[in-house]
Amino acid sequence: AQKVTQAQTEISVVEKEDVTLDCVYETRDTTYYLFWYKQPPSGELVFLIRRNSFDEQNEISGRYSWNFQKSTSSFNFTITASQVVDSAVYFCALSEAVTGKLIFGQGTTLQVKP
Amino acid sequence: DTGVSQDPRHKITKRGQNVTFRCDPISEHNRLYWYRQTLGQGPEFLTYFQNEAQLEKSRLLSDRFSAERPKGSFSTLEIQRTEQGDSAMYLCASSLGVRNEQYFGPGTRLTVT
Repeated sequence: AQKVTQAQTEISVVEKEDVTLDCVYETRDTTYYLFWYKQPPSGELVFLIRRNSFDEQNEISGRYSWNFQKSTSSFNFTITASQVVDSAVYFCALSEAVTGKLIFGQGTTLQVKP
Repeated sequence: DTGVSQDPRHKITKRGQNVTFRCDPISEHNRLYWYRQTLGQGPEFLTYFQNEAQLEKSRLLSDRFSAERPKGSFSTLEIQRTEQGDSAMYLCASSLGVRNEQYFGPGTRLTVT
């Protein structure tokens, strides 16, 4: 069965600190996709990144970076120099290659204090 | 280009009543997904469409739930004889093909009293 685990339920940091959100997944598929979504207090899920299972290159986008390691089935997300606006619930998700349906982790609530 | 829209944003209903939600996907997206999210949990898959065809329904979706996507455009999700356990946020998402990211609407929050 496919599963996504986000072991950190809540993280609290002070502004400008770096923070890493962990994601571990399970799948028997050889082709799959991994995602991160942000859910701010307004409630709408915002797409952040998509990676396919054949591309293990790390990616950086501004203050955001992602580390994908197939050997440990992990897809971790780092925010550098965190800001108050980064406060949200962050979800890691795995999608099946055929159906595209997303299997979400339970989410990590990030609180960035000024 | 407008994003995914959902209507209504909030719905309060009494147990036993029927409710219908609407989702308008991004216009060129051929795939449409419904998810349900309860407090403190990640969204859970309910069903999805490719164009007008409903291709999979989750076991979470009891016989009281039905979804349609006539003409492959907007979609509706109907819940008959609502129960208190149906209270949740119902999310709609659309994508262009299976390999691409899904874009989510703002959701419909259902409260069953």
